[in-house]
Amino acid sequence: SVLLYQKPNRDICQSGTSLKIQCVADSQVVSMFWYQQFQEQSLMLMATANEGSEATYESGFTKDKFPISRPNLTFSTLTVNNARPGDSSIYFCSSSLTRDGEVFFGKGTRLTVV
Amino acid sequence: SQWGEENLQALSIQEGEDVTMNCSYKTYTTVVQWYRQKSGKGPAQLILIRSNEREKRSGRLRATLDTSSQSSSLSITGTLATDTAVYFCATDNYAQGLTFGLGTRVSVFP
Repeated sequence: SVLLYQKPNRDICQSGTSLKIQCVADSQVVSMFWYQQFQEQSLMLMATANEGSEATYESGFTKDKFPISRPNLTFSTLTVNNARPGDSSIYFCSSSLTRDGEVFFGKGTRLTVV
Repeated sequence: SQWGEENLQALSIQEGEDVTMNCSYKTYTTVVQWYRQKSGKGPAQLILIRSNEREKRSGRLRATLDTSSQSSSLSITGTLATDTAVYFCATDNYAQGLTFGLGTRVSVFP
């Protein structure tokens, strides 16, 4: 299995500021994924991050707004730029050890933008 | 959307009862996964069922997959209060991340 540690667990930030969310895996993984979940809603895939390459973003998510770094096989950061109240949600990182294998999620980062 | 409108639902049942939740998907997938998310936690994978499998069991859980109708179901037998959670189905886009269904909120009362 893969354990994914996210930091911070929760944060409150002012509109217009930026927030960085870290995800650390306890073993090397090829792909890391970032998801957004609004209150009482499903999870939405934001982007896929592979080591040493630019993240691939899903429709509705952009590099300028949500830059993602993946400097090595155990680490990724998601930044929320120019945060707005509409960005208030829970952000999860996720990964798996094998393709089509069990998928693991971090505990999430609850972001509130005021 | 990848998912049909019938995914969103909430179910309230008594402990000991069985429950089945369904989802349907619109585009081809090789894998359907079922997740449970408890309040304040991240999703936890329950069952992964591949396109060449019609049924998969794990303890009190049973998942089915019908590729011809592009639908899947998850059943829980003998529910416990600890089964209270939101259950999601998800398709795996060739290891390019998951597309989640809308989810089913299951509340099990003692």
